[in-house]
Amino acid sequence: AQSVTQLDSHVSVSEGTPVLLRCNYSSSYSPSLFWYVQHPNTGLQLLLKYTSAATLVKGINGFEAEFKKSETSFHLTKPSAHMSDAAEYFCVVSTSNTGNQFYFGTGTSLTVIP
Amino acid sequence: DAGVTQSPTHLIKTRGQQVTLRCSPKSGHDTVSWYQQALGQGPQFIFQYYEEEERQRGNFPDRFSGHQFPNYSSELNVNALLLGDSALYLCASSLGGATEAFFGQGTRLTVV
Repeated sequence: AQSVTQLDSHVSVSEGTPVLLRCNYSSSYSPSLFWYVQHPNTGLQLLLKYTSAATLVKGINGFEAEFKKSETSFHLTKPSAHMSDAAEYFCVVSTSNTGNQFYFGTGTSLTVIP
Repeated sequence: DAGVTQSPTHLIKTRGQQVTLRCSPKSGHDTVSWYQQALGQGPQFIFQYYEEEERQRGNFPDRFSGHQFPNYSSELNVNALLLGDSALYLCASSLGGATEAFFGQGTRLTVV
C-alpha cells in the first residue's frame, strides 16, 4: 500500500529564513515522489519529482528535496523564503504498479512573515 | 500550449441533481485522471481513463462515472448529488505510463 504523511499541517517562517516541509512515505514498491504547490484558487503546480535517479532533487523557485530511503522521507527545503512562497504544499507518492495513481498527503500550509 | 483546461470553474447544484464536469488534457497527453479535493484535505483519486477505458478506480461509489472521448478529453459525471460531494474537482493529464502529471485549475462544486 502507498501513503504519505506530512508531519506539519502548518509552518510559519520569516521572509529570508530557511523553509523545511516534512514528508514521510510508505510504499510497497519503488516509489516516485513529488511535491506540488497550490496557491489559492489555482490548480496544482509541480515543484519537483524523484523517480529513482539522483536522491537530491532540485526543483523550481529554489526548492529542493532529498530522497532518504532508510528514513522513508522526502523533505522539501528552500534556503530563503520569499513572500510569494506562501501557499499549500502537497507531498505525493505513486508507483508504477498502481498505474501511477497519485496518493496525496493532507498538505502543509506555509505562511511567510514579512 | 493551453495546458489542462477544466470547465466550468464554479458550479452550484441542488442535492439529488446530476452534474457533468469537463476536462481537456494538455496537448499530446492521452491519459486523464480525476481527483476530489474536499476543503482542507489533499486530493483523493477518483478514476483514470486511458484509450477511452476506465483503467483504475479509487474508493468512490458508482454515482461517480466518467468518459473519455477519442480526442482524449474527459467528463466526470456525478449522480444523486449529496452535500458531501461539495469539493474542488481536479483533472490531471499525463502521457501513457509517464509518472509526471499536469493539473487543471479545478472545478469548484457546491451542493446545497
